[in-house]
Amino acid sequence: AQKVTQAQTEISVVEKEDVTLDCVYETRDTTYYLFWYKQPPSGELVFLIRRNSFDEQNEISGRYSWNFQKSTSSFNFTITASQVVDSAVYFCALSEENAGNMLTFGGGTRLMVKP
Amino acid sequence: GAGVSQSPSNKVTEKGKDVELRCDPISGHTALYWYRQSLGQGLEFLIYFQGNSAPDKSGLPSDRFSAERTGGSVSTLTIQRTQQEDSAVYLCASSLASGLVLDEQFFGPGTRLTVL
Repeated sequence: AQKVTQAQTEISVVEKEDVTLDCVYETRDTTYYLFWYKQPPSGELVFLIRRNSFDEQNEISGRYSWNFQKSTSSFNFTITASQVVDSAVYFCALSEENAGNMLTFGGGTRLMVKP
Repeated sequence: GAGVSQSPSNKVTEKGKDVELRCDPISGHTALYWYRQSLGQGLEFLIYFQGNSAPDKSGLPSDRFSAERTGGSVSTLTIQRTQQEDSAVYLCASSLASGLVLDEQFFGPGTRLTVL
């Protein structure tokens, strides 16, 4: 069965610090997809990135970057030069090809960026 | 364009009553999903629709929960004889998916259900 673990329940940093949010997953499928979503205080989940299991290239989008390593079953998310607006709960999620289209979410990491 | 909308935004009900939660997906999105977010359980998958059919109902927690989708658009999640443990935020998402897991899901703002 699929499982996603976000060991960090809460992280607090000061603005401009870099921060990495960890995500470890378990799956028996060879084809799967990994996602990160942001949930700001308003509550709406915002899609950040999708990565399939055959693409281990790291990705950078502005201050955001993602490190996908199949060898350690990890899909970590780094925010560079954090800003107060980055304060939110971040969820890592997994979708398996053989398990329909459902997303299995990790428990989330609450990031607090202080000015 | 309009995103996923859900109504009501908040619902307070008494234990034992039935409730209906509504989701309007993004126009043209064929796939629709219901999730539940609660303090104790995190984000849980409930049910998924492709068009009007629900190939995966595995996440519905009990037979008090049901969902339907008509016209390939609006969906209603019904909870009968509500219990206090049903209190949660119910999230709806839609995707363009024609059966592809690749497509990202776009989420609505959720309905906060409180069962007294």
